[in-house]
Amino acid sequence: DADVTQTPRNRITKTGKRIMLECSQTKGHDRMYWYRQDPGLGLRLIYYSFDVKDINKGEISDGYSVSRQAQAKFSLSLESAIPNQTALYFCATSDRDIADTQYFGPGTRLTVL
Amino acid sequence: GENVEQHPSTLSVQEGDSAVIKCTYSDSASNYFPWYKQELGKGPQLIIDIRSNVGEKKDQRIAVTLNKTAKHFSLHITETQPEDSAVYFCAASWGNDMRFGAGTRLTVKP
Repeated sequence: DADVTQTPRNRITKTGKRIMLECSQTKGHDRMYWYRQDPGLGLRLIYYSFDVKDINKGEISDGYSVSRQAQAKFSLSLESAIPNQTALYFCATSDRDIADTQYFGPGTRLTVL
Repeated sequence: GENVEQHPSTLSVQEGDSAVIKCTYSDSASNYFPWYKQELGKGPQLIIDIRSNVGEKKDQRIAVTLNKTAKHFSLHITETQPEDSAVYFCAASWGNDMRFGAGTRLTVKP
């Protein structure tokens, strides 16, 4: 089984809808991350969490929120989706800190119409 | 904040040739430089990394070089194979920040 899983893998929604993307990991890591990938822009960090009680904004947090339900689970929410949030979203984990090997999930392709 | 530029955006080589991808960064405080490979439909996977106290690191056919003075680092792949075809991302990190380059699509022609 995959170490980092994401659900759903694909989602199409409409402007204004609330969307939640979920991430689970079995690597036992404390550090978890949410990234967004757009063509020509690489990956950009949205939020990160170093443990269950720790949530931090990344480079592009506006319009997003997160919840760290347990060490193994980290969810990303779009409270009111807009078309420019159409992107590929990745969850990742690392053992020590951000300057460490990050293990990525398979991604969620989100389309906002 | 940190800015990472990556070149070229696309690279096509013949099987067996070498491939070089270059990145520059803006924040001299950056001290960790990973390279990730992303295959179609998958998440990125770390292939090699280097820290600022090292100038070069090699792992079989893959090597990374770092020039701190010029603030640039490069990925070198020798004896390329078709399975090396993928998108490659460089990144630079300082503190709790990680910034990625825009990616290079490498195609290895048999």
